Amino acid sequence: ETGVTQSPTHLIKTRGQQVTLRCSSQSGHNTVSWYQQALGQGPQFIFQYYREEENGRGNFPPRFSGLQFPNYSSELNVNALELDDSALYLCASRPEGMGGRGAQYFGPGTRLLVL
Amino acid sequence: AQSVTQLGSHVSVSEGALVLLRCNYSSSVPPYLFWYVQYPNQGLQLLLKYTTGATLVKGINGFEAEFKKSETSFHLTKPSAHMSDAAEYFCAVRSPNFGNEKLTFGTGTRLTIIP
Repeated sequence: ETGVTQSPTHLIKTRGQQVTLRCSSQSGHNTVSWYQQALGQGPQFIFQYYREEENGRGNFPPRFSGLQFPNYSSELNVNALELDDSALYLCASRPEGMGGRGAQYFGPGTRLLVL
Repeated sequence: AQSVTQLGSHVSVSEGALVLLRCNYSSSVPPYLFWYVQYPNQGLQLLLKYTTGATLVKGINGFEAEFKKSETSFHLTKPSAHMSDAAEYFCAVRSPNFGNEKLTFGTGTRLTIIP
């Protein structure tokens, strides 16, 4: 039990639609990151947020965007969905402190299918 | 840029036998290193991590890993495999620079336990 929850667990969308995925972290977890895991692959870093500001991004287009809220929840938004966006989307958060050496704790993921 | 190579996409061992999952990394600075386990249709669970200090680290479920800087390796071992160890295992690296949360994952190793 990591204390990180995600909703919904599964989602089906059609090409061109928009989707919002949600994540809730524990109190004190000021850093949140999002990852995309395609079938049979390792997770790929999308972006990270610290205290409600994006401060790091992977190789994903601008149609992937996010928000982080003061209550330790966050969102991943994807516009103009493409078939290749079908994947497991993972949220991870890290507790403050430990000089940055703490590990990230992952939620169970949202499985998105784009038809 | 950092990268991770996991040798062997599939590993099978008999119940009670030694488990050895290989991970090599590439990084311009000594990174933080992690092993995560993923059970079917679930998120990632942290097994263990190396940041600083003792190079042999112990994790949950009887797993351990040794950081070998000269070999740029962080192999995962367990003396005696159990049926419940069947899962996908991911090695990951992260920069020690404060504020950089990006985890770079390997492609994973699927561990099968033979009864």
